[in-house]
Amino acid sequence: AQSVTQPDIHITVSEGASLELRCNYSYGATPYLFWYVQSPGQGLQLLLKYFSGDTLVQGIKGFEAEFKRSQSSFNLRKPSVHWSDAAEYFCAVNTDKLIFGTGTRLQVFP
Amino acid sequence: EPEVTQTPSHQVTQMGQEVILRCVPISNHLYFYWYRQILGQKVEFLVSFYNNEISEKSEIFDDQFSVERPDGSNFTLKIRSTKLEDSAMYFCASSATTPDTQYFGPGTRLTVL
Repeated sequence: AQSVTQPDIHITVSEGASLELRCNYSYGATPYLFWYVQSPGQGLQLLLKYFSGDTLVQGIKGFEAEFKRSQSSFNLRKPSVHWSDAAEYFCAVNTDKLIFGTGTRLQVFP
Repeated sequence: EPEVTQTPSHQVTQMGQEVILRCVPISNHLYFYWYRQILGQKVEFLVSFYNNEISEKSEIFDDQFSVERPDGSNFTLKIRSTKLEDSAMYFCASSATTPDTQYFGPGTRLTVL
């Protein structure tokens, strides 16, 4: 069955530090992968997506993600975190419907 | 930039009452979805809708739920007789094709008392 795993429930980083949020998926075919961000009480905003081609994809707000088929991973990265990045981050795979991971809550300390 | 809109933003209802959550998808999109997020939990798929019929539904989407596209712009989710456990944030999404990027509305927070 298709699934998405985000092993880190909660991550805390200092402002200016680098960030990597992990995502592993289970899907038999070529995956369509997404990262969404959700600020408290808000909806889901698309950060970036991977459909095919270059395995390193760039998104909004300085985020990037790398698709690694051999590891079934799609980790999200940012070189320097800003306080405004504090939010919940969801990885998802599209199988005509979106299957979401459980999310990673990012806390940023000044 | 076109966006998905949802009304109301917050709905409070008594257990056993019917609620209708409304969504206006992006105008040239053909695929419509409802998702649910119980507080503190992950986002779960409820139902997808294309060409005026349900394409797929999850086990959550039982006989108490229904969806409709009553006109050319609105997409609604009806819960016939609400239960306490229906309290959640409900998100509408739309996409031009499938599989494709799904754009989400801001959500409707449903509170069942």
